[in-house]
Amino acid sequence: SQQGEEDPQALSIQEGENATMNCSYKTSINNLQWYRQNSGRGLVHLILIRSNEREKHSGRLRVTLDTSKKSSSLLITASRAADTASYFCATQYSGAGSYQLTFGKGTKLSVIP
Amino acid sequence: GAGVSQTPSNKVTEKGKYVELRCDPISGHTALYWYRQSLGQGPEFLIYFQGTGAADDSGLPNDRFFAVRPEGSVSTLKIQRTERGDSAVYLCASSLSGASGRSEQFFGPGTRLTVL
Repeated sequence: SQQGEEDPQALSIQEGENATMNCSYKTSINNLQWYRQNSGRGLVHLILIRSNEREKHSGRLRVTLDTSKKSSSLLITASRAADTASYFCATQYSGAGSYQLTFGKGTKLSVIP
Repeated sequence: GAGVSQTPSNKVTEKGKYVELRCDPISGHTALYWYRQSLGQGPEFLIYFQGTGAADDSGLPNDRFFAVRPEGSVSTLKIQRTERGDSAVYLCASSLSGASGRSEQFFGPGTRLTVL
């Protein structure tokens, strides 16, 4: 079963605009990670935020985490056509089975040149 | 250095046949994971190896699925008597360690299995 739920399911924006994707989860976590996937194949790790962190930046990416609301957001600034992909949040539990990644269904982002 | 590699990249088989999917993790990574991703879904956990042993196989859907990692490096996922519902992309990942739950997992490109 999948714990995370991304919102929206699909997002279409113009190149240069910012893209925001949200993720909600259900149980206590060690960390939350965001992945990108092109063409339904390999996943590329983007960023990891630990449960005691509230915000993290990496290049054009900004991730926030609100453990009280069990939610996270991924912001991609100044989007490019190459950012077109599916984006998944994945959580690692704080209890037994903490090595597993539990993924949401993903947000499909289309950046129009 | 080399990332996680998986072979074959695509596998088409007939219902009832046996298939093996191979994963070569990043050298030195002790933890290895298999996930399965159906169309339009996120990956779902199948099995986790720490070294040679399967530390958690709770995600394997039934006893037709089995995985080994005999020397603590390469892993093979084996599916017996394949069914059409087994069609999916099978993803392998590895990490430096798994027990802490904090080690980044690096994914391979996946094997797309199609059961006709």
